[in-house]
Amino acid sequence: DGGITQSPKYLFRKEGQNVTLSCEQNLNHDAMYWYRQDPGQGLRLIYYSQIVNDFQKGDIAEGYSVSREKKESFPLTVTSAQKNPTAFYLCASSAGQPFSYEQYFGPGTRLTVT
Amino acid sequence: KQEVTQIPAALSVPEGENLVLNCSFTDSAIYNLQWFRQDPGKGLTSLLLIQSSQREQTSGRLNASLDKSSGRSTLYIAASQPGDSATYLCAVSGGYQKVTFGIGTKLQVIP
Repeated sequence: DGGITQSPKYLFRKEGQNVTLSCEQNLNHDAMYWYRQDPGQGLRLIYYSQIVNDFQKGDIAEGYSVSREKKESFPLTVTSAQKNPTAFYLCASSAGQPFSYEQYFGPGTRLTVT
Repeated sequence: KQEVTQIPAALSVPEGENLVLNCSFTDSAIYNLQWFRQDPGKGLTSLLLIQSSQREQTSGRLNASLDKSSGRSTLYIAASQPGDSATYLCAVSGGYQKVTFGIGTKLQVIP
């Protein structure tokens, strides 16, 4: 089955700790994205990547970091510098140029920081 | 700055009814518009993508239209079913902001 997997589904961390969210796709897509979703707000773009070893900041990149060492994988690290990390995080991928084609989403990771 | 608005925020209809969900955007310089559904606590499922050069797309009971000049898109759902109950989101791609999502319309179809 082709698709996007995110792990874990739920993640709990103490304030001040860095945490890494996993995202893997087997769709052979070039572009990958990270979004966060908060109640009462639309999804907001954190980072996106067009190809391996290249990524660009989105609208709310502060306090986050990413890497793209393999085409299939695009992990997101939420650092202690992120002021409000508790949110639902969604990973997506698409073919071709970023934002030009249909985006497919993973099931999400709900991060709670206390 | 691109802004995307979805009206109504919530909608409740009896099973079998045809319905229309609305999405409006402020900047008409877009590449495409995509409709998604989201079930509670889940990721987004892509429904339809309309490129800026297209006027509509259809998939089964769903039909999405795009009017770039007026900054509007509609998602038409025919013969609604309880399984259609979900939140429907639209997303507009293009320009400096790359992509902008609406907050969604929460649909409940009552058996």
